[in-house]
Amino acid sequence: AQSVTQLDSHVSVSEGTPVLLRCNYSSSYSPSLFWYVQHPNKGLQLLLKYTSAATLVKGINGFEAEFKKSETSFHLTKPSAHMSDAAEYFCVVSDQSDGNKLVFGAGTILRVKS
Amino acid sequence: EADIYQTPRYLVIGTGKKITLECSQTMGHDKMYWYQQDPGMELHLIHYSYGVNSTEKGDLSSESTVSRIRTEHFPLTLESARPSHTSQYLCASKWDGEDSPLHFGNGTRLTVT
Repeated sequence: AQSVTQLDSHVSVSEGTPVLLRCNYSSSYSPSLFWYVQHPNKGLQLLLKYTSAATLVKGINGFEAEFKKSETSFHLTKPSAHMSDAAEYFCVVSDQSDGNKLVFGAGTILRVKS
Repeated sequence: EADIYQTPRYLVIGTGKKITLECSQTMGHDKMYWYQQDPGMELHLIHYSYGVNSTEKGDLSSESTVSRIRTEHFPLTLESARPSHTSQYLCASKWDGEDSPLHFGNGTRLTVT
């Protein structure tokens, strides 16, 4: 079965500094991978997705992620954090046995200090 | 702007009451899902449907039930609410295919007193 590990439950950065949210997955094939963001009292919004077209994926709001098969990683980055980036971020992988079921990581709460 | 709608947004209800959480989408998606999320925690799939008259239980055991009589509508029902049902419930939908992303509603925050 697929699994997703988000290596940090909380990340704190200063405004204007880079953001790195780490995600590792386990899979015996190349799955589809997604990052979602959830602001307080809201549903989840898609940031970006990887579907084997290109290993570096650009998303909304300046976020990007790089798929590294050898490391089974899909880390999310942003060059310069903004206060509005403070939220919870979820790394998600498609299930190998049923691609229409998605497996969620535990989430990383990003705090941005002024 | 969300094309998937959940009502109510917030609900406080007493133990033993029957409740139905509504979810509707206007995108024509065949696949629909209910997730349960406790504060600061991951999402757990409790029900899903791949089309009209098709429903399945998810990975997390739940005392709730669902129905899918119309493509656009996927309500979740609790016959007798208990305090342990206090949580946030998120509805989502998608097109077929593993590279198709989920679209989420804004959630219903349920409190059972």
